[in-house]
Amino acid sequence: QKEVEQNSGPLSVPEGAIASLNCTYSDRGSQSFFWYRQYSGKSPELIMFIYSNGDKEDGRFTAQLNKASQYVSLLIRDSQPSDSATYLCAVNSGGYQKVTFGTGTKLQVIP
Amino acid sequence: EPEVTQTPSHQVTQMGQEVILRCVPISNHLYFYWYRQILGQKVEFLVSFYNNEISEKSEIFDDQFSVERPDGSNFTLKIRSTKLEDSAMYFCASIPTGGFQETQYFGPGTRLLVL
Repeated sequence: QKEVEQNSGPLSVPEGAIASLNCTYSDRGSQSFFWYRQYSGKSPELIMFIYSNGDKEDGRFTAQLNKASQYVSLLIRDSQPSDSATYLCAVNSGGYQKVTFGTGTKLQVIP
Repeated sequence: EPEVTQTPSHQVTQMGQEVILRCVPISNHLYFYWYRQILGQKVEFLVSFYNNEISEKSEIFDDQFSVERPDGSNFTLKIRSTKLEDSAMYFCASIPTGGFQETQYFGPGTRLLVL
């Protein structure tokens, strides 16, 4: 069973702080890693994707991948109240590119 | 920007009834997916579809479920005899050509409530 694990939270950070979200995955053959943001009752919205070991930055967001440790993280700098949502880690593993999701981490940014 | 669309946004049905959820994937995409999310739980893969046939399905996708691409634009999920536990959000997604670097973009979802 291919698993993606996340701390369900909630993770509370003050406005302007850095939020750090973590994810581990079990399938060493996984090739692509995604972070989605999901507001209550809405569909997942892509934030970042990463394929190679190391860091990838996009605006206030940085994704980090360590395939040896089977670990993915998302840093959100200068957190805003509008960042309050559930963040889903997702991993593409296997053929036909289906995506396996973690349970999500709920982030609360306190004004 | 092209997007995946889904209809209806909400569906209420009686247990045992058949429902059809509809999706219009992004045009020129070749791979299509259905996922579901039971309230408070994680998003779960149901089925992938390519070249007019199922390419992979999960253990959730039993004989009660079927998918179809009846024309060049729609992609449907049919639940033949709904159960209470089928109540969930159902999301459709698509990608262009099946490359591992391609991102799945999700439709807005259909909230299904089985009474």
